[in-house]
Amino acid sequence: NAGVTQTPKFQVLKTGQSMTLQCAQDMNHNSMYWYRQDPGMGLRLIYYSASEGTTDKGEVPNGYNVSRLNKREFSLRLESAAPSQTSVYFCASSAKSTLGNEQYFGPGTRLTVT
Amino acid sequence: QKEVEQNSGPLSVPEGAIASLNCTYSDRGSQSFFWYRQYSGKSPELIMSIYSNGDKEDGRFTAQLNKASQYVSLLIRDSQPSDSATYLCAVKGTGKLIFGQGTTLQVKP
Repeated sequence: NAGVTQTPKFQVLKTGQSMTLQCAQDMNHNSMYWYRQDPGMGLRLIYYSASEGTTDKGEVPNGYNVSRLNKREFSLRLESAAPSQTSVYFCASSAKSTLGNEQYFGPGTRLTVT
Repeated sequence: QKEVEQNSGPLSVPEGAIASLNCTYSDRGSQSFFWYRQYSGKSPELIMSIYSNGDKEDGRFTAQLNKASQYVSLLIRDSQPSDSATYLCAVKGTGKLIFGQGTTLQVKP
C-alpha cells in the first residue's frame, strides 16, 4: 500500500500561472482533505470531500478549487497563483465520511509563487 | 482564544527522560483527540488517538484526556533523540478537525 500520494513534490510558479496538485489514496477511504501549512499558522483546511461526489469549503478556500475525480483521487487547482499561496500543501484521507476521524497524510507539495 | 492551544516550545529533555506535551481546547463538545508527529520537512504522522477520559498507552506513548478540564496530553517515556520532532494536537469538535500549532520537542543525547 502506497497510502496517500501527491504530485508534484516541488513546484515554482510565477504570479498568475495556474496549476493542479494531484492526490490519490489506495486505502479505500471515503473522505479526503486539502491543507496548507505555513510557519506560525499551523495546518489550515482548504477544502474537503466527505464522500465521492461531494466537496465543501474549509477555513481558507479563496483562490482554490477542487475536484473529487473518483473515490481515490482529489485534486486541488490554483487558477491564478499569488505569492500568498506560497506554502506546503498536504492531502489527507480518512475512513469515515465525517470530519475528524483518523486522517492520514501524503508527503506534501512545496509550492513557491514568485 | 485559539480553539486548540499548544506551547510552541522548544521543549528540551535529556535522553531517557519523560517528555510531557500538553494541549488545551475550547469546544466542550469535542469528542475525538489525536496526536501527530511531524519531522522537519516531512508530513504529519498519526501516533495516537483517544476518545474517552483517562489514559491510553501504546508502547512508549501515553495519551491522557480530561474532558472536564478540556485538556489532552502526550507522555513519551524513555525519550530518544529520534523522538525530536514537532508534535501536533488535533481535536474534533462539533465541526471540523482543528490542529494546534504544535510543540517542538528536542531530545538531547
